[in-house]
Amino acid sequence: SSELTQDPAVSVALGQTVRITCQGDSLRSYYASWYQQKPGQAPVLVIYGKNNRPSGIPDRFSGSSSGNTASLTITGAQAEDEADYYCNSRDSSGNHHVVFGGGTKLTVL
Amino acid sequence: QVQLQESGPGLVKPSQTLSLTCTVSGGSISSGGYYWSWIRQHPGKGLEWIGYIYYSGSTYYNPSLKSRVTISVDTSKNQFSLKLSSVTAADTAVYYCAREYYDSSGYYFDYWGQGTLVTVSS
Repeated sequence: SSELTQDPAVSVALGQTVRITCQGDSLRSYYASWYQQKPGQAPVLVIYGKNNRPSGIPDRFSGSSSGNTASLTITGAQAEDEADYYCNSRDSSGNHHVVFGGGTKLTVL
Repeated sequence: QVQLQESGPGLVKPSQTLSLTCTVSGGSISSGGYYWSWIRQHPGKGLEWIGYIYYSGSTYYNPSLKSRVTISVDTSKNQFSLKLSSVTAADTAVYYCAREYYDSSGYYFDYWGQGTLVTVSS
């Protein structure tokens, strides 16, 4: 089955740009979706598809993909963006399974 | 607005069966294109997919849990359920129900329940 790999932790200075990456073979076949999770809360979808934001998600969040790597970019990070971020896709083995990355803890300095 | 709400015991004894229900409001669980999923998160850890049921009744489970998991749907109540048998302390986690949608943008979880903590302890 497929796996998705994320850096455990990333930091960014307030107002700067940060990229969070997700690697996995399944990303050659499926788009990644991205979720933000703050302590004690359920995950929230922030990016899906090629680069789509659900209603209410600030436009400083964007997504991109190349080969087996998907990226979530936050342009002008805000203090409220400090959270855990998870990528997700379907397994490309044809088994209909779902996979999540291990998550990236984003710290806004 | 679609809403999902988990319900069930917060404490389960070892070796027993964990049973949770997710009630869906604001949309029909019978609509095509949606995969009704259970996901869990161990304390301080990442998200782990447990399995899903499609509106047709097809189910798919995480191989690591497959022997102990059953997901079912009750369309008359607009609910779907999770049963996890022979639980141990390692099954202590926050359990989320979520809706996965498929369209031209691929698969993504657009709605989540608030999560419910289930502790396995005697």
